[in-house]
Amino acid sequence: AQKITQTQPGMFVQEKEAVTLDCTYDTSDQSYGLFWYKQPSSGEMIFLIYQGSYDEQNATEGRYSLNFQKARKSANLVISASQLGDSAMYFCAMREGGGYGQNFVFGPGTRLSVLP
Amino acid sequence: EADIYQTPRYLVIGTGKKITLECSQTMGHDKMYWYQQDPGMELHLIHYSYGVNSTEKGDLSSESTVSRIRTEHFPLTLESARPSHTSQYLCASSEFEGGKTQYFGPGTRLLVL
Repeated sequence: AQKITQTQPGMFVQEKEAVTLDCTYDTSDQSYGLFWYKQPSSGEMIFLIYQGSYDEQNATEGRYSLNFQKARKSANLVISASQLGDSAMYFCAMREGGGYGQNFVFGPGTRLSVLP
Repeated sequence: EADIYQTPRYLVIGTGKKITLECSQTMGHDKMYWYQQDPGMELHLIHYSYGVNSTEKGDLSSESTVSRIRTEHFPLTLESARPSHTSQYLCASSEFEGGKTQYFGPGTRLLVL
């Protein structure tokens, strides 16, 4: 079973508008971390935001915020005031707890296109 | 800013050649990873390491091999490159426990003719 699901292969948004990229996850661990990465066409992976499973507040980093709904096992990324430079692939990832350095698991990604 | 480096950034090579993709990090991270990614597709973990002299195979079977003789260095080797190895290879590192993220290198785009 997929541990990370991103149901939107592609999304379009008008410049300056907000957009939500969906991510649901599957884990039986109580301790885990959720991550979002951006990958522009140049290929590098850029870390955007992190949410710990015990964090009570939703994480925010500038124009990025993570809408964390633990009971629904969702960790949606919200980008406010979209810019043309936000056009990229976006990957949701999870690192489960349990000790001994668990690996990261990535979703299939969502391609975001920002329209002028 | 992440201090993790990969060379070469781009490599075009003929079938049957031996290649080594270099990855180095200066953050003192114990864990290092290699991912393979086709354009626009998800990342597949092919190798990882917990530290010096530790190497493990990832979720995706790969004909490549890795070594970890020094903490900062995690090279990936293909003994005989084939067109099916054409892909992007991303190296990453993270703290062993409790790290908030893994840091990625810029990637190596490999084309095998």
